[in-house]
Amino acid sequence: DAGVIQSPRHEVTEMGQEVTLRCKPISGHDYLFWYRQTMMRGLELLIYFNNNVPIDDSGMPEDRFSAKMPNASFSTLKIQPSEPRDSAVYFCASSAGLGTGELFFGEGSRLTVL
Amino acid sequence: GENVEQHPSTLSVQEGDSAVIKCTYSDSASNYFPWYKQELGKRPQLIIDIRSNVGEKKDQRIAVTLNKTAKHFSLHITETQPEDSAVYFCAADGGYNKLIFGAGTRLAVHP
Repeated sequence: DAGVIQSPRHEVTEMGQEVTLRCKPISGHDYLFWYRQTMMRGLELLIYFNNNVPIDDSGMPEDRFSAKMPNASFSTLKIQPSEPRDSAVYFCASSAGLGTGELFFGEGSRLTVL
Repeated sequence: GENVEQHPSTLSVQEGDSAVIKCTYSDSASNYFPWYKQELGKRPQLIIDIRSNVGEKKDQRIAVTLNKTAKHFSLHITETQPEDSAVYFCAADGGYNKLIFGAGTRLAVHP
């Protein structure tokens, strides 16, 4: 397996634009997580899914953020409208369930909002 | 919910010395405590983990200890090497299979 695949790797956009980040989890993993990493706040859990169903979205900062998982092999994180404070690295991760151990991270999507 | 605090935020050691990073957690129900290493510009990767039925676990130069009574756990790296330089994150399970991370420790190993 190629691991967790995220796109785009880098995104530069202007304030007010819509941003869509994409993730393909490892095949067979039941859990998918979206984390945001900044210098100030570290790794924050935004939302996670189990079997394509959102379980906990309490980390989503505000209504401008939304996430979907239409099937077991694809998830999106959307920001509309984007703001400069959304600039961060967004990581997608998947696992077979923490009872089995490891969380596998993608390479991350570095977002810059001007 | 679970809260994880990590200290120190930065750590500088000479090659060959030991490094210790400490974390505390708030939820006594947590029972899984992994450590992740993130090299500059890379993704976090699991280096070692420990479960609540174990007090200590070792893997070559890396060891983790857990004190459930005090709700703290530590990462110990012996004989540090320059390639150990990275940011290290501790984490605790926050229930329902989600991980809550500490703020990270930037370790610098000087030759």
